[in-house]
Amino acid sequence: ELKVEQNPLFLSMQEGKNYTIYCNYSTTSDRLYWYRQDPGKSLESLFVLLSNGAVKQEGRLMASLDTKARLSTLHITAAVHDLSATYFCAVDREYGNKLVFGAGTILRVKS
Amino acid sequence: DAGITQSPRHKVTETGTPVTLRCHQTENHRYMYWYRQDPGHGLRLIHYSYGVKDTDKGEVSDGYSVSRSKTEDFLLTLESATSSQTSVYFCAIKGGGMKNSPLHFGNGTRLTVT
Repeated sequence: ELKVEQNPLFLSMQEGKNYTIYCNYSTTSDRLYWYRQDPGKSLESLFVLLSNGAVKQEGRLMASLDTKARLSTLHITAAVHDLSATYFCAVDREYGNKLVFGAGTILRVKS
Repeated sequence: DAGITQSPRHKVTETGTPVTLRCHQTENHRYMYWYRQDPGHGLRLIHYSYGVKDTDKGEVSDGYSVSRSKTEDFLLTLESATSSQTSVYFCAIKGGGMKNSPLHFGNGTRLTVT
């Protein structure tokens, strides 16, 4: 059974600081997705990582995938308040048909 | 919102009553999904569909049924609602229709079972 673990589950950061969210998963997969959710809103796709060593960047966020370690990271550079949200990673369990989500990381950026 | 509409947006119902949630898409995508979101659990897959009349179970399918009689509509039914089914329900389609495409989610239905 595929399990996806994120840590930390809650992260309070100061503006301008850097931090990393980790996503570990238990079985082989080379497709991993990151989503963002604002309070009371839907989920928005951030990154799609499809191979070992894949790295994607958008603004202050950078995601990477290490399929050998079964680990993805979401790195936040010089955090700003607008990045406050819940971030989910999701791993593909059955080639494109069943995503298993982590519990989510609640990020609060304080000014 | 990638052409996904969920209805209703909010519903309060009593234990034991049947409830149907609707997901409508205008994108003509083959794959549609129902997830529930609960604190500490992320999103969990209830059922999904890979075409008209073609559906399969997810990881938390007990107590739920689905139907897809048209490409654009995917219905989720709670035959006899229980308090444990109080949750936020999200419908999703596979954006772009490709296997590696990310999911695009609707705005969610907040269901409270009293």
